[in-house]
Amino acid sequence: DGGITQSPKYLFRKEGQNVTLSCEQNLNHDAMYWYRQDPGQGLRLIYYSQIVNDFQKGDIAEGYSVSREKKESFPLTVTSAQKNPTAFYLCASSILPGLKETQYFGPGTRLLVL
Amino acid sequence: DAKTTQPNSMESNEEEPVHLPCNHSTISGTDYIHWYRQLPSQGPEYVIHGLTSNVNNRMASLAIAEDRKSSTLILHRATLRDAAVYYCILIGPNFGNEKLTFGTGTRLTIIP
Repeated sequence: DGGITQSPKYLFRKEGQNVTLSCEQNLNHDAMYWYRQDPGQGLRLIYYSQIVNDFQKGDIAEGYSVSREKKESFPLTVTSAQKNPTAFYLCASSILPGLKETQYFGPGTRLLVL
Repeated sequence: DAKTTQPNSMESNEEEPVHLPCNHSTISGTDYIHWYRQLPSQGPEYVIHGLTSNVNNRMASLAIAEDRKSSTLILHRATLRDAAVYYCILIGPNFGNEKLTFGTGTRLTIIP
């Protein structure tokens, strides 16, 4: 079945540690996105990528980094510079670049700081 | 950035229609109106979108006011599976709208 997978479902991070969240899609979509959701809040855009080897900062990119070496993969690294990383992280993709396009979301990764 | 205003919560009885309102008085002429919904601990799911004309799909209908300053998502016959947070968002047509943000949405409760 086509879709977006995120792993792990839950991730624990120690203070000062970098962690990487995985996002894979087999929909052959060009664009991919990372969002952060805090409890009781909506989604905020962290980074997005229109095409392989290209990505742009979203609204809250500080403390995060991404790469897009393959069309189907868009991993997100939460660095130690991100002072409040506990949140629900959602990855999405769309057929074409452009945030007006319909986005398909993964199941999310919940990151907790120990 | 154009923003949307939605009620925090709504309730509806099962098998009855539901009308979810969204105000967007500062919408620009080229902004698309998108609706997504999110079940607990899951990623959002696309519901419907439109620009000027009313839209229908298998999930819902979208009624857009003539002045485009408000819209209503219509679930024709609510089921328990429709209980979710519904987000109304505006997205411009130009590539690179980095300020895309989903607001807090409307939490819809379905009463059996």
